[in-house]
Amino acid sequence: GIQVEQSPPDLILQEGANSTLRCNFSDSVNNLQWFHQNPWGQLINLFYIPSGTKQNGRLSATTVATERYSLLYISSSQTTDSGVYFCAARGHTGGFKTIFGAGTRLFVKA
Amino acid sequence: KAGVTQTPRYLIKTRGQQVTLSCSPISGHRSVSWYQQTPGQGLQFLFEYFSETQRNKGNFPGRFSGRQFSNSRSEMNVSTLELGDSALYLCASSFDGRTGANEKLFFGSGTQLSVL
Repeated sequence: GIQVEQSPPDLILQEGANSTLRCNFSDSVNNLQWFHQNPWGQLINLFYIPSGTKQNGRLSATTVATERYSLLYISSSQTTDSGVYFCAARGHTGGFKTIFGAGTRLFVKA
Repeated sequence: KAGVTQTPRYLIKTRGQQVTLSCSPISGHRSVSWYQQTPGQGLQFLFEYFSETQRNKGNFPGRFSGRQFSNSRSEMNVSTLELGDSALYLCASSFDGRTGANEKLFFGSGTQLSVL
């Protein structure tokens, strides 16, 4: 099946700093999503982005499907951005099962 | 529009018992999928239902089963519970799960299952 790898595993930022989170996937996908899991366990969908670039406020994401990676950009980070960021991919390889990466744990210091 | 609702929020069971978890999707969504989240294994896909049919299944033993009703609500059942089944069980819904942006997943708050 598809392998999904995220980096870095952990990230500590000062409030106001920018960051880039990366998601590599091993095979072609037709579905790539980014999620934020807050400290209470709730998973929030940030982007559905199998290809191209999208922006939502301070967050933006880019997926380069031909090179099998996706990037999540967080600008002017805030303490409320803390939590775990997951990417999830789905494709023909592995029978269209949604595969999650291990996540990037982000802590933003005030 | 109400979000995805999972019940119960917390559950404590003992080894050998069985458990049933419930998930009500967003109104109009027809696809429901289930995931197990543990510190060691991360988020793992359990199964996906669409129009009362299991459309996909992850690599879990047969003790894990599910179903979907005509109103798209879904239940998952775990029989003969083991200590390793302790986890956060998450349910997600999408409009149809297979067509472009209609595949966007929306998650419930999860059921935290503890097996003693």
